[in-house]
Amino acid sequence: LAKTTQPISMDSYEGQEVNITCSHNNIATNDYITWYQQFPSQGPRFIIQGYKTKVTNEVASLFIPADRKSSTLSLPRVSLSDTAVYYCLVGPIYNQGGKLIFGQGTELSVKP
Amino acid sequence: DAGITQSPRYKITETGRQVTLMCHQTWSHSYMFWYRQDLGHGLRLIYYSAAADITDKGEVPDGYVVSRSKTENFPLTLESATRSQTSVYFCASSESGTYGYTFGSGTRLTVV
Repeated sequence: LAKTTQPISMDSYEGQEVNITCSHNNIATNDYITWYQQFPSQGPRFIIQGYKTKVTNEVASLFIPADRKSSTLSLPRVSLSDTAVYYCLVGPIYNQGGKLIFGQGTELSVKP
Repeated sequence: DAGITQSPRYKITETGRQVTLMCHQTWSHSYMFWYRQDLGHGLRLIYYSAAADITDKGEVPDGYVVSRSKTENFPLTLESATRSQTSVYFCASSESGTYGYTFGSGTRLTVV
């Protein structure tokens, strides 16, 4: 499974757009990029997944450049409730080991 | 109610005792997982299961035992609890293996 590197922490203010970048230089051809969000005292929650270019849902956007060696999670107009830890994961979408390995994540702090 | 349920929510046990953490999901997802989360280590995979009666080790399996006689249940047993097993334990399930994990609310275990 490809190793991922993301910032340990980030600060932002309410109403700003937040971009969290994840590096995954050893991503394999059949790997997808998935982001999870974790609030204190809760289990992680799936946010978004993509393979290439751009994916958007009601919560976030995921930008993946052509070489796929990095990806950026974009959270539009964050609020205090977006304060959480965000995990970037890389792995095959279907069973090839069938497990996800979580890194340290990025702790996002949104201030008023 | 549909979902994934962990029990108990909190547990205090003594060193050397056997303790079992329960996990139940109502979707008939094929894959189920146990993670532990500790400060400074993030989420670490203990064991996972691709189907009933199929289990495999994750990153930190020592001291733990799992079974999966029914698709919907995936109990985690600490055979002889140690203080180093004090942690928050999360169970997760997924239909496809690496896409869209759904996590339970966690069990906070304290070994004294």
